[in-house]
Amino acid sequence: AQTVTQSQPEMSVQEAETVTLSCTYDTSENNYYLFWYKQPPSRQMILVIRQEAYKQQNATENRFSVNFQKAAKSFSLKISDSQLGDTAMYFCASDTDKLIFGTGTRLQVFP
Amino acid sequence: DVKVTQSSRYLVKRTGEKVFLECVQDMDHENMFWYRQDPGLGLRLIYFSYDVKMKEKGDIPEGYSVSREKKERFSLILESASTNQTSMYLCASTELAGGYNEQFFGPGTRLTVL
Repeated sequence: AQTVTQSQPEMSVQEAETVTLSCTYDTSENNYYLFWYKQPPSRQMILVIRQEAYKQQNATENRFSVNFQKAAKSFSLKISDSQLGDTAMYFCASDTDKLIFGTGTRLQVFP
Repeated sequence: DVKVTQSSRYLVKRTGEKVFLECVQDMDHENMFWYRQDPGLGLRLIYFSYDVKMKEKGDIPEGYSVSREKKERFSLILESASTNQTSMYLCASTELAGGYNEQFFGPGTRLTVL
């Protein structure tokens, strides 16, 4: 069975600094997909970044990048130059036959 | 832009009531999902649908049912609401199920059962 673990319930970072959110997963599949979703306070969940497991190159979307370590089954999210608008709940998720979410990390960005 | 809407942002019901949560998407997506979000538990899949009149159980279907009579609309039904169903309910849709495809979420319905 798929599992996704986010071991940091809450994190904080100062504006303009860099923060890394951790995620580990477990799957017996060789082909799967990994995602980070963002849920801002009282707003809809949106996709931040995604990674195909067979691609070794780490995905990047502007200030957001991932560190994908397939052997370690680790998929961390790095947010560079943090902005106040990055304050949100972040969910890591994996998909083999269905999307499985972690428990989330609440990120607070301070001015 | 894909838009997924849910009928209510906040809902308060009494134990034993029948509750309907409605979700509508405007992008002609085949696949729709209902999740439940609880603190410390993340999102858990209740039911999903790959086509009109088609439904599949997710990980926590007990106490819930669904209806998909039209492609754009997916309803979650609590036949007899109980206090342990107090939660945030999120609807999502996607063009193709699984794999690399992004799910688009609604704003959520925060349901309180008294």
